[in-house]
Amino acid sequence: NAGVMQNPRHLVRRRGQEARLRCSPMKGHSHVYWYRQLPEEGLKFMVYLQKENIIDESGMPKERFSAEFPKEGPSILRIQQVVRGDSAAYFCASSGRGQDEQFFGPGTRLTVL
Amino acid sequence: SQQGEEDPQALSIQEGENATMNCSYKTSINNLQWYRQNSGRGLVHLILIRSNEREKHSGRLRVTLDTSKKSSSLLITASRAADTASYFCATVQTGANNLFFGTGTRLTVIP
Repeated sequence: NAGVMQNPRHLVRRRGQEARLRCSPMKGHSHVYWYRQLPEEGLKFMVYLQKENIIDESGMPKERFSAEFPKEGPSILRIQQVVRGDSAAYFCASSGRGQDEQFFGPGTRLTVL
Repeated sequence: SQQGEEDPQALSIQEGENATMNCSYKTSINNLQWYRQNSGRGLVHLILIRSNEREKHSGRLRVTLDTSKKSSSLLITASRAADTASYFCATVQTGANNLFFGTGTRLTVIP
């Protein structure tokens, strides 16, 4: 049973480009969460989705960031017009039910040049 | 705002010793979870303790929860060099689903 998959593992973008981060939850999990981790810091919640619905996006910047979890396929975190401050590790987690333990993917390390 | 604060920020011990890390939080919670992160890697779930539980064990790990003091502790017994990592507590607030992470404790176990 594969765990949470994220790709790419590393992503380099120039300022102004778009970044697309993908997350496939564990089999049978329908709850997906995205977190961001800056160097030497803890993870900060961004957005919580269930299939085709955004449940809580209170941690996500209002501009340039968007997330989706379509009926088929992985969850996507999209960052438009990236800036250097977007450089971070972005982790996806999934759970079978809300408030259950969350299983994390290996993360995508985004570097903005 | 961040929910948890870990103490100490960094801890260095000799192999074989016990390591204790503490976590404090601010609001009422549904559960509290401890995670481990090796440098530059993803998070590994260690243990979940619910708000109506006071203590939980898993192998060499022992977690306590005191909801009256809004605090938790993680004890790693008989530490090994491979336990070297950062340890984070994270809470699920009552009525919410996402995790609020603490700032982490960086543990170094010296062989």
